[in-house]
Amino acid sequence: NAGVTQTPKFQVLKTGQSMTLQCAQDMNHEYMSWYRQDPGMGLRLIHYSVGAGITDQGEVPNGYNVSRSTTEDFPLRLLSAAPSQTSVYFCASSYSPRTGDGSNYGYTFGSGTRLTVV
Amino acid sequence: GQQLNQSPQSMFIQEGEDVSMNCTSSSIFNTWLWYKQDPGEGPVLLIALYKAGELTSNGRLTAQFGITRKDSFLNISASIPSDVGIYFCAGQLRGGTSYGKLTFGQGTILTVHP
Repeated sequence: NAGVTQTPKFQVLKTGQSMTLQCAQDMNHEYMSWYRQDPGMGLRLIHYSVGAGITDQGEVPNGYNVSRSTTEDFPLRLLSAAPSQTSVYFCASSYSPRTGDGSNYGYTFGSGTRLTVV
Repeated sequence: GQQLNQSPQSMFIQEGEDVSMNCTSSSIFNTWLWYKQDPGEGPVLLIALYKAGELTSNGRLTAQFGITRKDSFLNISASIPSDVGIYFCAGQLRGGTSYGKLTFGQGTILTVHP
């Protein structure tokens, strides 16, 4: 199993550009999330999904869009990049209470996308 | 939103020493998770705690879910150089779409001197 795969690993954008960060998982996890990591602030939730066709906002959703058309994929779109969006972005997935066995709800993370907006 | 306070922010220890870190919350969680992050990688789950009072071990790691459900601690015994990294606690609620959200602490940076 590949687990959670994120692409690209590195990206430099100019202010105002748009792009999509890709995330795919092959573990048949229902839950998927996007986090950003900034120095000294831990990981903050951007958007999350509890199943195909269902998404919701996290703590810091402004400037980002998501959609979940399949169980496997959960892309994150930056609509108009700003320097404040310079960060490391992590995608994560997990079993749900419906598909898990009660002891495996911890999220599996991808290796991250390091984004710089200039 | 909910806040997790993780301490200490950083630790510098000698190889072989024991390490202890903890997380406290202003509100309750139903699940506590502990992750380790190596440079350039995503967090990796170390221990998951699902019940108040639960004490769980994973090799040299031991974690406990506080009785009040507002805190958790992680102990590492007999530290080794590969324990170096950033350790995060995370809390999770249950019910509805709450399962979809983790709240993270700020992290503890661990440095182990040989």
